[in-house]
Amino acid sequence: RKEVEQDPGPFNVPEGATVAFNCTYSNSASQSFFWYRQDCRKEPKLLMSVYSSGNEDGRFTAQLNRASQYISLLIRDSKLSDSATYLCVVAKAAGNKLTFGGGTRVLVKP
Amino acid sequence: GAVVSQHPSRVICKSGTSVKIECRSLDFQATTMFWYRQFPKKSLMLMATSNEGSKATYEQGVEKDKFLINHASLTLSTLTVTSAHPEDSSFYICSARGLSGTYNEQFFGPGTRLTVL
Repeated sequence: RKEVEQDPGPFNVPEGATVAFNCTYSNSASQSFFWYRQDCRKEPKLLMSVYSSGNEDGRFTAQLNRASQYISLLIRDSKLSDSATYLCVVAKAAGNKLTFGGGTRVLVKP
Repeated sequence: GAVVSQHPSRVICKSGTSVKIECRSLDFQATTMFWYRQFPKKSLMLMATSNEGSKATYEQGVEKDKFLINHASLTLSTLTVTSAHPEDSSFYICSARGLSGTYNEQFFGPGTRLTVL
């Protein structure tokens, strides 16, 4: 079983719609959780950290469910520029080595 | 702040040659740098963790004699792919983590696309 699993998609999303997807992780000792965004042929960029209480950054909302060992990302009012691959990333502690999921591809269409 | 650069951004080489990739933290000191490899449509796989002034720690399955890592200063780490073969063609990305309490998260370089003919 992979340490971090994601639905590869693609999720085809009409512009303005809401899309949500999850990521599951296998290591219960994981302490730090992140969503990164990666555009084609580019490096990953941190989208947001995921906190236990859940957090929101503009149109993006992340949730963590430790009991079921998954995190989620919800994107509201999708923009064309949201089209990217979203990488779920887990670490045992802040600053430690990161374990990446395979990514979920999102395509926002007009 | 927290900018990481990589050089070169793209390299094409012949089979059997060695290629050196540089990773620099431009505006902070990085005690730890990480080297990743990403094959097409796959996720990033950690190759090794490099701490300044000490030997790199390689992940299982990564040949340390083939992928030489040097982290000689707090702002520079290099990855040398020795005797490159076509199967080494990949996107190599480094990340850097700052001193404790400073930029504790990892910041990624723009990546180096290696093509071995």
